[in-house]
Amino acid sequence: GAGVSQTPSNKVTEKGKYVELRCDPISGHTALYWYRQSLGQGPEFLIYFQGTGAADDSGLPNDRFFAVRPEGSVSTLKIQRTERGDSAMYLCASSTTSGIYNEQFFGPGTRLTVL
Amino acid sequence: AQSVTQLDSQVPVFEEAPVELRCNYSSSVSVYLFWYVQYPNQGLQLLLKYLSGSTLVESINGFEAEFNKSQTSFHLRKPSVHISDTAEYFCAFNQGGKLIFGQGTELSVKP
Repeated sequence: GAGVSQTPSNKVTEKGKYVELRCDPISGHTALYWYRQSLGQGPEFLIYFQGTGAADDSGLPNDRFFAVRPEGSVSTLKIQRTERGDSAMYLCASSTTSGIYNEQFFGPGTRLTVL
Repeated sequence: AQSVTQLDSQVPVFEEAPVELRCNYSSSVSVYLFWYVQYPNQGLQLLLKYLSGSTLVESINGFEAEFNKSQTSFHLRKPSVHISDTAEYFCAFNQGGKLIFGQGTELSVKP
């Protein structure tokens, strides 16, 4: 079956603009995760959903970042008033449910560049 | 704070040579450890994991890792690498459902 997909694959925007990054998880997966990977670093956790609700948003860096998953499937990561420091690869993952035993399957990522 | 440290940012090796990618963790609670691999222009893929039981875990493509609680390590090894093993490797542990990753080790296999 299809894996996790993310759109767009690349996004270039100007400082101060608003962007939305989309994630389509594997069908039937109830848990969805967002990570951010800066150049030369490992992925850093941002937020995860179990169903429609955010179970843990402790990794969101500030209130410019927000994520939704209104129907428990597709998720959108929203970044307001983008800054150059937001430039990174944004990764989405999904798993059958949340918890330590369930493998997280990653999408190819969206590379965000803020000029 | 709980964390993962990968001691080598880059590891160049020749084909058919053995390799070890080092990973140390810091945690005061039970840990569940993972190695992920990221091939060029591809997404992260799970390579192997330790949840419980035998401390030696293996992948289908010849990698193995050993959980060592006394040394707080989970080093990844392969006795003979191939060109196709060239990739970035990430060590991680699961903390309450979310993954905490190390900085990554770039393995470069040369002919």
